[in-house]
Amino acid sequence: DIQMTQSPSSLSASVGDRVTISCRPSQTISNFLNWYRQKQGRAPQLLIYSVSKLQSGVPSRFSGNGSGIDFTLTISGLQPEDFATYFCQQSYTTPTFGQGTRVDVK
Amino acid sequence: VQLQESGPGLVKPSETLSLNCSVSGASISGYYWSWIRQSPGKGLEWIGYIHYSGTTNYNPSLKNRVTIAVDTSRSQFSLRLKSVNASDTAVYYCASWYVQAGTFDYWGQGALITVSS
Repeated sequence: DIQMTQSPSSLSASVGDRVTISCRPSQTISNFLNWYRQKQGRAPQLLIYSVSKLQSGVPSRFSGNGSGIDFTLTISGLQPEDFATYFCQQSYTTPTFGQGTRVDVK
Repeated sequence: VQLQESGPGLVKPSETLSLNCSVSGASISGYYWSWIRQSPGKGLEWIGYIHYSGTTNYNPSLKNRVTIAVDTSRSQFSLRLKSVNASDTAVYYCASWYVQAGTFDYWGQGALITVSS
């Protein structure tokens, strides 16, 4: 299995902040990298697919970047609903997820 | 598209966990459907997927214990996990699987399954 390592595991931020989360797979995964947001008590929601493509209906403050074994999710202008946990996921082989990055209120 | 899991919330060790997922708002035919579970210890773990034609693909780590089936007449698909133990305690989600992008686009609300005697 491809291991997905996210950093940081958690971070504290304020509304309006710019937040960046890193995801590093244990091997190259081409562009098969997706990001999800999970609000407390809810199912994950797809935000970005294929590294940088915004899922329909997802606000443009979310962006993704990267290649090879280094990917990032950026939230430009954190909103109250963005205090949640974020997961990366690869689909290059058997799907696997990162351990999550929790974003909470500073 | 809406998905809804249903099934017993408590399963005894060594028995079989059974869950159903009802699909509405989209035809179950022509798509792939998946099961994913989430626990504090293992995080999010993909269990497997099924195509409406019946083709399946399972996580190798669970392959020996898992069966996913589809019932197109009822717009449902199901999960059976045999010989469960405490480490199978988790929230189980059903989701749609968009194979071209490798994404889980739509998710059910999740069902907490506890394995305990």
